[in-house]
Amino acid sequence: AQSVTQLGSHVSVSEGALVLLRCNYSSSVPPYLFWYVQYPNQGLQLLLKYTTGATLVKGINGFEAEFKKSETSFHLTKPSAHMSDAAEYFCAVSEGAGSYQLTFGKGTKLSVIP
Amino acid sequence: EAGVAQSPRYKIIEKRQSVAFWCNPISGHATLYWYQQILGQGPKLLIQFQNNGVVDDSQLPKDRFSAERLKGVDSTLKIQPAKLEDSAVYLCASSYQSGFGELFFGEGSRLTVL
Repeated sequence: AQSVTQLGSHVSVSEGALVLLRCNYSSSVPPYLFWYVQYPNQGLQLLLKYTTGATLVKGINGFEAEFKKSETSFHLTKPSAHMSDAAEYFCAVSEGAGSYQLTFGKGTKLSVIP
Repeated sequence: EAGVAQSPRYKIIEKRQSVAFWCNPISGHATLYWYQQILGQGPKLLIQFQNNGVVDDSQLPKDRFSAERLKGVDSTLKIQPAKLEDSAVYLCASSYQSGFGELFFGEGSRLTVL
């Protein structure tokens, strides 16, 4: 069975500082990995995804994530935080092509301090 | 392109009452999902439909929850009778049949059971 662990339920950064949100996964098959963002009272929106190929993937709003198989990690980063980045971020895993089910982590709430 | 539509956005009921949520997926999306998101947790899959057939309902509490997808388009999720622990946001999502787990989410229906 697949699972996702997000380290830190709350992360605070100063505006302009590096954002780093951690995600580790377990999967019995090569995984597909995703980051979703959820703004207050809204649904989830896809930030970026890794399926195959290049392990460094770029998403919307300046976010990127790197798939590290040896560390079973898929951490999300952004070089410079903006106030509008304040939201909850969810890492998710699916068990490869043909699987349309996602297993989500518990989420990390990002606060950006002016 | 219209997104995933859900209604109602908010519902407050007393325990043992019933409630129904409606979802209209993105046009052409064959796969439809219902997720339950309890406060402080990541979304948990309740049921997955492919067209109008159920693919996975292993985590659906069938003694009180039911769901259907009429004609492979709209879907309704019903809870009867509701319990306090059913208080959550119910998220509907849809995806292309060949999508690599990329789900498009609605804004959710927030249920409060008193």
